[in-house]
Amino acid sequence: KAGVTQTPRYLIKTRGQQVTLSCSPISGHRSVSWYQQTPGQGLQFLFEYFSETQRNKGNFPGRFSGRQFSNSRSEMNVSTLELGDSALYLCASSLASESYNEQFFGPGTRLTVL
Amino acid sequence: KNQVEQSPQSLIILEGKNCTLQCNYTVSPFSNLRWYKQDTGRGPVSLTIMTFSENTKSNGRYTATLDADTKQSSLHITASQLSDSASYICVVSSLVGAGNMLTFGGGTRLMVKP
Repeated sequence: KAGVTQTPRYLIKTRGQQVTLSCSPISGHRSVSWYQQTPGQGLQFLFEYFSETQRNKGNFPGRFSGRQFSNSRSEMNVSTLELGDSALYLCASSLASESYNEQFFGPGTRLTVL
Repeated sequence: KNQVEQSPQSLIILEGKNCTLQCNYTVSPFSNLRWYKQDTGRGPVSLTIMTFSENTKSNGRYTATLDADTKQSSLHITASQLSDSASYICVVSSLVGAGNMLTFGGGTRLMVKP
């Protein structure tokens, strides 16, 4: 079974631009969560989607948004990029988001904002 | 505020030696606690998941313990190998509404030297 895939793997943007990242979950998984990882803040939860609906949201500004499609694939969008948005963006999928459901992480997208 | 604290921040050990990583949490309501291993430039990989009623769980040379009363967990690595060099992240899950909210520790960076 293929794992979680994320595209692109690396991205370089400039301040003020917007970016869209994509995540394809493991086949059959309906929950997709997004995380931001930086050296200073560690892993931080962005949001979770389940059956095309956002179920949970972390403490990030409205510039960060996402959506999930009917095939469970998910996209994350960041508008008006800032230097501080440079990070590794990880997505994780699980069968559902009830307790004990293991999350499987993708390799991440490394975003650099210049 | 939900928090997960890990210690030490970094650790260097010789190949073949054992080590123990610590995790203290103040997360409520508690659902489960997970340990992840993250190699540089890759997404985290789950090692163990423990619920409130589980005290110990092993995965090969990795053994996690959980004391729900003191809100502490540890990850013990036996007979370390060079491939154990990675960051180890403690994650506590709590049920929020219909979904899961994950709180991440800052991680322990382990380096195993020959």
